[in-house]
Amino acid sequence: GAVVSQHPSWVICKSGTSVKIECRSLDFQATTMFWYRQFPKQSLMLMATSNEGSKATYEQGVEKDKFLINHASLTLSTLTVTSAHPEDSSFYICSAGGGQHDTQYFGPGTRLTVL
Amino acid sequence: GNSVTQMEGPVTLSEEAFLTINCTYTATGYPSLFWYVQYPGEGLQLLLKATKADDKGSNKGFEATYRKETTSFHLEKGSVQVSDSAVYFCARHNYGQNFVFGPGTRLSVLP
Repeated sequence: GAVVSQHPSWVICKSGTSVKIECRSLDFQATTMFWYRQFPKQSLMLMATSNEGSKATYEQGVEKDKFLINHASLTLSTLTVTSAHPEDSSFYICSAGGGQHDTQYFGPGTRLTVL
Repeated sequence: GNSVTQMEGPVTLSEEAFLTINCTYTATGYPSLFWYVQYPGEGLQLLLKATKADDKGSNKGFEATYRKETTSFHLEKGSVQVSDSAVYFCARHNYGQNFVFGPGTRLSVLP
C-alpha cells in the first residue's frame, strides 16, 4: 500500500507557541489530504480536508485560525497549531487518498503535548 | 446520514480464541467498507476492505464479508494472537465523500 509519513512523531511545546506538523505522501501524489485528531481511547475526529492549491475545508467546530493548513504541493500538507494551549494536546493523524480514491492511507501520527 | 456502529469494547480474549467484532453501517448509497487497525502509539493501518456486496476482504488471518442485506461487515479471526491486541476501526466510504469511522473496538489478547 501507499506510504504516508508525518513529522515530527512527537513534540512537546510551551503554551502560547506554535507547532507545525508535516504530512507527506511518499510514493503517490495526493491532491487531497485529511487531518484528524484523536483523543485517548476515542475514535478519529476529522478536522479538515486539505486541498492542493486551494483553501482547506474545515469541519464544523474547528477553528481555522487556530489550525492552519497549507497544501503547497501534491506530496506535502502541513498543519500548524497556533498559540497552542494544553487543551490542544492530542494525537494528530493525517491521511491521503479518500474522496475519489477508494482507500485512505494514514500517517503514523504526531503526539502533541502542550505544557 | 452516513454512520458506522461497532460493538463496544474492550474485548478480552485468550490466545487462540475466536474473534468477532461486529460492525453495521447505515445503508446510504453503495459504500466501500474497511477495517483499520491501530497498534499502541501508532497511526491506522488498513487491514482489509470490500468494495461491493458479498465481497470478502481478508488479510493476516482476519476476514470480513460485505453483507448488504444486514448492512454489516463483521470482522472475524479464527485464532487470535497476543500481537493482535490493538484498536480496530470499521469505516465506510462513498465515492467522492469523506471516510466515516466507527468508534473503535479495543481488543486485548492474553497469553
